[in-house]
Amino acid sequence: QSALTQPASVSGSPGQSITISCTGTSSDVGGYNYVSWYQQHPGKAPKLMIYDVNKRPSGVSNRFSGSKSGNTASLTISGLQAEDEAVYYCSSYIRSSPYVIFGGGTKLTVL
Amino acid sequence: EVQLVESGGGLVQPGGSLRLSCSASGFTFSSFAMHWVRQAPGKGLEYVSAISSNGGSTYYADSVRGRFTISRDNSKNTLYLQMSSLRAEDTAVYYCVKEGMTTVYLDYWGQGTLVTVSS
Repeated sequence: QSALTQPASVSGSPGQSITISCTGTSSDVGGYNYVSWYQQHPGKAPKLMIYDVNKRPSGVSNRFSGSKSGNTASLTISGLQAEDEAVYYCSSYIRSSPYVIFGGGTKLTVL
Repeated sequence: EVQLVESGGGLVQPGGSLRLSCSASGFTFSSFAMHWVRQAPGKGLEYVSAISSNGGSTYYADSVRGRFTISRDNSKNTLYLQMSSLRAEDTAVYYCVKEGMTTVYLDYWGQGTLVTVSS
C-alpha cells in the first residue's frame, strides 16, 4: 500500500491562511470519511488535530479545519501563528491491511 | 488523564529480537483498539500494526508482517509488540497509540521508545 501524497513543505506569514493537501485513492481517502491530521513538533509525539475529515478534538483551535473532495483531503490553518510551525501528517483508514496509512508529512514554516 | 508509557526499546543486533510494552492508564483499555506507529530518525510516520479491543483481529504493515507480533493483555492494561529478525531499517522510535472512540483515528500517543538495530 503506497503512502498518501503530501507536499514536502508549505509556508506562510503570521495571520495568513495555508492549506495542505493529501492525495490518495478511492481505496483510502476517497472511499471513506476517515481522514485524520496530526501535528508534530520536533522531538515530540504527534498530536491529533482533525479526525473524520473535518472534526476537531476538544482543545484544538478552531483555526484548524479539514475538508475532502474526491481522493484529496485538505487541512487549512487560518490566522497562522508561530506555534503552528511543525510537521503535519495526514492519515486514512483502508479496509485491508495495514488498516491505516500515512502521508509523507508536510513541514509548515511560519515566516 | 490518558497515559501511554512505552518501554523495552534499546540496542539490538541485526537478526535479534526485542519486545516492546506499553502500559496504559486513564481509560478503559479493553474497550479500544490499539496501534503501533514508528518513525525512523529524521523520517516520517510509518504505520506498523493494530489490534482490536479484544485481541481477536490484528493488522500489520507489509514491512513487518511475519516478523512482528502485536498482542495485548487486557487484565494488565498492556500492549505488546514482539519484534524478531530485526533489520537496520527497523531502527526507529516506536509509538504506542490509542484509537479513537468512534472511528479509525489515533487520539492519544505515548512518548515513544527508541529501537536501534546495529552491530
